[in-house]
Amino acid sequence: NAGVTQTPKFQVLKTGQSMTLQCAQDMNHEYMSWYRQDPGMGLRLIHYSVGAGITDQGEVPNGYNVSRSTTEDFPLRLLSAAPSQTSVYFCASSYSYGGGRNYGYTFGSGTRLTVV
Amino acid sequence: AQTVTQSQPEMSVQEAETVTLSCTYDTSESDYYLFWYKQPPSRQMILVIRQEAYKQQNATENRFSVNFQKAAKSFSLKISDSQLGDAAMYFCAYRASYSGNTPLVFGKGTRLSVIA
Repeated sequence: NAGVTQTPKFQVLKTGQSMTLQCAQDMNHEYMSWYRQDPGMGLRLIHYSVGAGITDQGEVPNGYNVSRSTTEDFPLRLLSAAPSQTSVYFCASSYSYGGGRNYGYTFGSGTRLTVV
Repeated sequence: AQTVTQSQPEMSVQEAETVTLSCTYDTSESDYYLFWYKQPPSRQMILVIRQEAYKQQNATENRFSVNFQKAAKSFSLKISDSQLGDAAMYFCAYRASYSGNTPLVFGKGTRLSVIA
């Protein structure tokens, strides 16, 4: 099925460990992004990319790193995990402009990350 | 910067009744898109309905409809004949329609309970 594949679904890390959340889409979307969801805070943008080789910071980028080597993949790296990074993480993709197309996001299924 | 406000953190509705969720947004853009997403306990983000700002007609998807008031910057969601499966967190979101750096901006959500 076409869509956004996000792995893993659950992860527990120790403080200071690093890890990569994987995200892949097969819809040829130019735009990809990572959000974190915390209770009462809605979804906040971490990083985004408008195409291969192009990334930029969102609202809460500290402690995270991204790269976009292909159109399909957009991994999120936690450099040194901290308890404040305990959250649910979503990857999403879309076209980069409307022009009458469905301009909404297609979301991955989310990753629940706990840092102890 | 664009902002989206959902003033009702929680709402409840009796099964088969109608409920309206409120959303207001702030933008200086004239061309944009608005969305409502549903997040059930499974945490999957599901697009419920979308509205292009240049369209005067309110969007409708089965039991879901919106009241889009562009001048007032208001975008409410009406759910008719509420069902138990409608219980979820609902997010209102905004996206400017020009190409490139146009992330989806979310409100903080409204948790809807459906009472049998």
